Amino acid sequence: DTEVTQTPKHLVMGMTNKKSLKCEQHMGHRAMYWYKQKAKKPPELMFVYSYEKLSINESVPSRFSPECPNSSLLNLHLHALQPEDSALYLCASRSLSGRCNEQFFGPGTRLTVL
Amino acid sequence: AQTVTQSQPEMSVQEAETVTLSCTYDTSENNYYLFWYKQPPSRQMILVIRQEAYKQQNATENRFSVNFQKAAKSFSLKISDSQLGDTAMYFCAFMKHKYGGSQGNLIFGKGTKLSVKP
Repeated sequence: DTEVTQTPKHLVMGMTNKKSLKCEQHMGHRAMYWYKQKAKKPPELMFVYSYEKLSINESVPSRFSPECPNSSLLNLHLHALQPEDSALYLCASRSLSGRCNEQFFGPGTRLTVL
Repeated sequence: AQTVTQSQPEMSVQEAETVTLSCTYDTSENNYYLFWYKQPPSRQMILVIRQEAYKQQNATENRFSVNFQKAAKSFSLKISDSQLGDTAMYFCAFMKHKYGGSQGNLIFGKGTKLSVKP
């Protein structure tokens, strides 16, 4: 299994809603990443988890709350978002063993905040 | 800090022709990795090719090859025999070597939108 899956594919939410994005991989990767991508722009790193511990938070607003319950699963909890948070949210994973290991990306969740 | 520059926002090529996408980067690191990722419209980002900086030989993957010039900090991607399915956004990306304290996070260029025309 060389796949990163993300659910849901699309999400529409109001500014007062609470929702969660889910990412899963079964490749044994111990590093997982959340990115935000606006149209026609490169992905912007949000969070990095290494061995299920948060290792990088790129000064992301607290209305985004990541969680890594186990080595296969990564969640992004959303609360009180703003319309400018509408974007494609990408998850990626990477092996921490070996020499040079690329990130494997999921298909993303397209989020619209009304 | 590392930066990655892709100077061609958009390019087009005829089917079966060859096209080269340019990428330059700036770093003080000696050990690092470079990648080209492809993101087709509304589809998943996938790795096209990677290069380890300590390797002098240019990486190749079927129709895709790179011209890696370490001293010039240049990393261009050549696509031979272009196919309609090559239409996508192409991102050049840099990653520090793990022994340099890297968390494996990627520094992306702004991307080049490639259109392959029939």
